[in-house]
Amino acid sequence: GQNIDQPTEMTATEGAIVQINCTYQTSGFNGLFWYQQHAGEAPTFLSYNVLDGLEEKGRFSSFLSRSKGYSYLLLKELQMKDSASYLCASPRDSGAGSYQLTFGKGTKLSVIP
Amino acid sequence: KAGVTQTPRYLIKTRGQQVTLSCSPISGHRSVSWYQQTPGQGLQFLFEYFSETQRNKGNFPGRFSGRQFSNSRSEMNVSTLELGDSALYLCASSSRGQGSPGANVLTFGAGSRLTVL
Repeated sequence: GQNIDQPTEMTATEGAIVQINCTYQTSGFNGLFWYQQHAGEAPTFLSYNVLDGLEEKGRFSSFLSRSKGYSYLLLKELQMKDSASYLCASPRDSGAGSYQLTFGKGTKLSVIP
Repeated sequence: KAGVTQTPRYLIKTRGQQVTLSCSPISGHRSVSWYQQTPGQGLQFLFEYFSETQRNKGNFPGRFSGRQFSNSRSEMNVSTLELGDSALYLCASSSRGQGSPGANVLTFGAGSRLTVL
């Protein structure tokens, strides 16, 4: 299965660092995606991890531990515009030459002054 | 280049009616996926089309159907609407639709928000 768990809500202060965790079932692992979704807008791609370790992209970093079934998204120097939902997603091989993305329910991050 | 376009953006229907939603993928993208997003369940996979063929289907009743045209545009239809069908319906496209997941990142449209009264 691909049950994905992440916290429902988080609040952090502008300028601070926040870590959003995601756990998933390790069977049939094909990497892990993070998407950002502002209220009323389309989800947008942030990162894809398939190997263990930390990948940094500017203020955003994503970490993966395959053995632990664990990932996190790290947001540094938080800005008000980072207030959004962050979605963790795992691809499942559908056996039809394609992958089906299973999403967690998302973590709603509120950045306060 | 233009992103994924979904129409209509908002619509209101009553129970028992049917609805058709449209999605135009990014030019050159051949894979189109549909998701239902609700506050309680998050994003749930409906189905995926590639080259006019449905390749994958999620765990939704037969009232939910879709199709893809030769120009890769896709439509989904929901018949006999129920109150629980109120949701944001998201369409996403990817380029090749095959190969590693990292090479087929989904690009989402802004969605069609359906309210069933």
